[in-house]
Amino acid sequence: GAGVSQSPSNKVTEKGKDVELRCDPISGHTALYWYRQSLGQGLEFLIYFQGNSAPDKSGLPSDRFSAERTGGSVSTLTIQRTQQEDSAVYLCASSLLGQGDSPLHFGNGTRLTVT
Amino acid sequence: RKEVEQDPGPFNVPEGATVAFNCTYSNSASQSFFWYRQDCRKEPKLLMSVYSSGNEDGRFTAQLNRASQYISLLIRDSKLSDSATYLCVVNPPGSYKLIFGSGTRLLVRP
Repeated sequence: GAGVSQSPSNKVTEKGKDVELRCDPISGHTALYWYRQSLGQGLEFLIYFQGNSAPDKSGLPSDRFSAERTGGSVSTLTIQRTQQEDSAVYLCASSLLGQGDSPLHFGNGTRLTVT
Repeated sequence: RKEVEQDPGPFNVPEGATVAFNCTYSNSASQSFFWYRQDCRKEPKLLMSVYSSGNEDGRFTAQLNRASQYISLLIRDSKLSDSATYLCVVNPPGSYKLIFGSGTRLLVRP
């Protein structure tokens, strides 16, 4: 069956530009998570969705970061006025219930490079 | 103190060896625990959940010690294909997010 799909797989952008990253979760999964991973580092939690609502946005690093989810399915993560420190792999994951005891299924990630 | 801490390694072991990793967590009320595996430049994948009674899946055994707030992963009869980074994951109480450790790198040599 189809897994979590992310696009683009790679994105190179100039400092100051806006970028949109897309995540298509596994069908039927109610929970959706965004994480980011810098080179050689662990996963940093960004935001969690249950359906279309985001009860936990605590990990968004600044107000340049925003995310939405529509129809309980596809999510987009938007980074405005990108900075070089935003360079990382952005990973999306979905889980069936999202109650913290359901395993996460990750997409392949979007590798963002800000020049 | 970090919420989830792991020895970064690398652990360099010969094929056939037994190797164990520990992971400590700061919130004693944490409820759910997992081990994920991440290959170089790939996404993390679930290896196994960790249950209070301990659980085994083939060559892999996971254990939880609530009193000391750590979980462990034991790999027996290591294979070359076990070379990867192993991520400890904890669900803190009152939260739906999963907190990832920075990972322990394992290298299995011929």
